Amino acid sequence: GQNIDQPTEMTATEGAIVQINCTYQTSGFNGLFWYQQHAGEAPTFLSYNVLDGLEEKGRFSSFLSRSKGYSYLLLKELQMKDSASYLCAVRGGGYQKVTFGTGTKLQVIP
Amino acid sequence: NAGVTQTPKFRILKIGQSMTLQCTQDMNHNYMYWYRQDPGMGLKLIYYSVGAGITDKGEVPNGYNVSRSTTEDFPLRLELAAPSQTSVYFCASSYRLAGGGADTQYFGPGTRLTVL
Repeated sequence: GQNIDQPTEMTATEGAIVQINCTYQTSGFNGLFWYQQHAGEAPTFLSYNVLDGLEEKGRFSSFLSRSKGYSYLLLKELQMKDSASYLCAVRGGGYQKVTFGTGTKLQVIP
Repeated sequence: NAGVTQTPKFRILKIGQSMTLQCTQDMNHNYMYWYRQDPGMGLKLIYYSVGAGITDKGEVPNGYNVSRSTTEDFPLRLELAAPSQTSVYFCASSYRLAGGGADTQYFGPGTRLTVL
């Protein structure tokens, strides 16, 4: 089976940097995804890691350490529109499907 | 491309009623999924399909059925609605990668279902 842990809520200030952590336990790791979900909307894809290291996409970066079962999503230059839930999802054994964490609700304040 | 479309957007059912949630994708994706999301919770996989004619159970399949007669369509059937099935239902699809794994998932807008 798979187990994914993320903080439930975080608050950060506009213009700042925030790091959202995700730890996972899985049988047969085969990739980790981060999705953004605004309230009342569907999740949208942010980033994907399958090898150790940092993937950067504009203001968003995602890091993976497979040996530690750990990932983080880094958001820079926070904007009010970044207030959303951030879902960590792991593709493990039975790799046609992924398992989602419960998500971290980020509130950006002025 | 419309992407992934779902109908209806909202529905209220009485206990014991049946309904079908429709999902269609126009991206020629092999893999399709149904999730439910309860308030403040993550996504729970109900059923998934790796191609037309092939479906499999996810984490929470009880009370639901699916079929996949075409690549494009993946309807979800609730036979005897119960209050525990009140939730937001998301359909998603993805490409099949060369090694068989699932690529990034694209989600439909969701169906908000209330069972009273």
